This record gives sequence, C-alpha cells and structure tokens, in this order.
Amino acid sequence: KQEVTQIPAALSVPEGENLVLNCSFTDSAIYNLQWFRQDPGKGLTSLLLIQSSQREQTSGRLNASLDKSSGRSTLYIAASQPGDSATYLCAVTAALASSGSARQLTFGSGTQLTVLP
Amino acid sequence: DTGVSQDPRHKITKRGQNVTFRCDPISEHNRLYWYRQTLGQGPEFLTYFQNEAQLEKSRLLSDRFSAERPKGSFSTLEIQRTEQGDSAMYLCASSLSYRSGANVLTFGAGSRLTVL
Repeated sequence: KQEVTQIPAALSVPEGENLVLNCSFTDSAIYNLQWFRQDPGKGLTSLLLIQSSQREQTSGRLNASLDKSSGRSTLYIAASQPGDSATYLCAVTAALASSGSARQLTFGSGTQLTVLP
Repeated sequence: DTGVSQDPRHKITKRGQNVTFRCDPISEHNRLYWYRQTLGQGPEFLTYFQNEAQLEKSRLLSDRFSAERPKGSFSTLEIQRTEQGDSAMYLCASSLSYRSGANVLTFGAGSRLTVL
C-alpha cells in the first residue's frame, strides 16, 4: 500500500526566505506526483504536476523536483510571501500495473506553512 | 462558473440523521471523485465515477455511504445514520481522462460535515 509522508508537519519562516518542503513515498511505481495548496477550510488548488518521466516542474516562484527511484519530491518556494501561508499537500498517482488503479491519488498529511511579515 | 461546485458548504447534523452532499463537476469532465479529509490529515479516496459508472470504492465507504452519478453529470454522496466519526470535509473532484493517462484533478471547495 502506498504511503506518503511530508516533513515537516509545520513550518514558520520570515518573509523573503527561500524554503523547501519534503515529500516521500514508499512505492516508486508512480504515474505522476502533484503538489497542492489548501487554504484553511477550503478545497485544494493544484500547483504543479510532475509526470514520472520528468525530474522537475517550475511555475513562477515554485519549483518541484522528483526523484522516483528514491521515492522523494521537494517543493521549493523562492522569496516567500505572507500570501504563501497555507497547507501544502503532496499526492501521488500509482502506476496501473502496481496498484490496479491509476485513478486515485494518495495524499500526504501536508505541511502547514506560515510566512511571517 | 467553470469550477467544481459543492453544496452545501457546511452541514451540522445530529447523530443518526441522514445527510446528502451534491457535487457539480466541470461540465466536460467525465471522471468524478469523492474524497474525505479529517482535520490535520490529507484527503482519502472514497469513490470514483467514469461517466455514470461507479468504478471503484474504497473500504472507507461503509454501507452507510452511497454515491450516485445518475446521468453522468452531477453526483450525490449520502451518509445514512450519521456518526460523530463521519465529521470531516468531503471533497469532490473531477477530471477529463486522456488516452495518455494524464489525469489532472480539479477539486471543489468541499462540504464540511459536523455531527453532534
């Protein structure tokens, strides 16, 4: 069974800092990996999606990397801003061959980020 | 509105009552998913539809839970005889399947259930 772990569970940084959020998964047979943002009491917003054949994706100040063989992904946020404060969730889609379904995401518990002004 | 809509946004009920949540996916999306999220945890998969067919159900979906997507458009999730452990955010998502298998989900804002 796929398990996704995110470290740290919570992180507080001053505005302007660069930061890295970590995600690890136990089954490396994944189809893709996504990073989501969730604001308190709200749904999820997709930030970046990395296919299993890719090593990284970039969007603005965000950069996500994927090392499938070691079961790790990182989300790098440059020049953090108070508006970046939210919970960041990592999720993997299992490859069809290993799980029997490519249609569900397995999420980590998230990293709650607070960027202090 | 081009997003995924969920209704109601918040439901407070007494233990033992039945509740129903509705999800309206993005109109051209053929796949629809239900997830449950408890406080401090990531969402957990409940069930998934392709068009009107319910193709997969998690073991989390006990017999008190039923989901339908009768015309392949909107979906309902009903919880019968609610228990306090059912208190959670119920998230709906939709996607458009591609031959390549790419499957990017768009999530709704969720329906929060509080069982007293």
